[in-house]
Amino acid sequence: EVQLVQSGAEVKKPGESLKISCKGSGYSFMAHWIGWVRQMPGKGLEWMGTIYPSDSDTRYSPSFQGQVTISADESINTAYLQWSGLKASDTAMYYCARYSTGIYSHFDYWGLGTLVTVSS
Amino acid sequence: EIAMTQSPDTLSVSPGERATLSCRASQSVGSRLAWYQQKPGQAPRLLIYGASTRATGVPARFSGSGSGTEFILTISSLQSEDFAVYYCQQYDNWPLTFGGGTKVEIK
Repeated sequence: EVQLVQSGAEVKKPGESLKISCKGSGYSFMAHWIGWVRQMPGKGLEWMGTIYPSDSDTRYSPSFQGQVTISADESINTAYLQWSGLKASDTAMYYCARYSTGIYSHFDYWGLGTLVTVSS
Repeated sequence: EIAMTQSPDTLSVSPGERATLSCRASQSVGSRLAWYQQKPGQAPRLLIYGASTRATGVPARFSGSGSGTEFILTISSLQSEDFAVYYCQQYDNWPLTFGGGTKVEIK
């Protein structure tokens, strides 16, 4: 069974750093792109970027380029999303999702999400 | 960037009735269009990909159609569990983009 297990909710202060994770199981982790999607409170879905765990090829949405860093450790089947200086506007639910086949494909499996709250 | 526009924002439907949701792309995406369902407090769930192919386990009352710039998601007979927000997404071009969503609520 394919599963994406995300790390738990986080409460941080502005300016702090954070790294959240997404661990894949039940499939060949290195063979599928993983994407990250943001959902701000009461809002829609926004694609942030993606990584291919096999070679760490990473692409970012222009809206998030330079704001976050996506990485992966294929040895432990885990992808990461990190911030070096959080802002209140980073408060959101963050989902990881698996691309079905190749980089131009839909998301077939989703993690349950990691809620990030940034507040002073 | 390809803009995805969904309409209406909210659709009020009685159980058992048909629901028709629209998604328009600002330029052609061919058939590289997916639909997702999201219930409150849950992650999105894939319903349709390739504009018209139902994902595994998705009931036959869900159907997708269209190509190019105009797409439709039809729910033939709404069940109580179908009241949710539905998003379309194009995966033809970077950056991937989602529509703003259509909320299907009980009339």
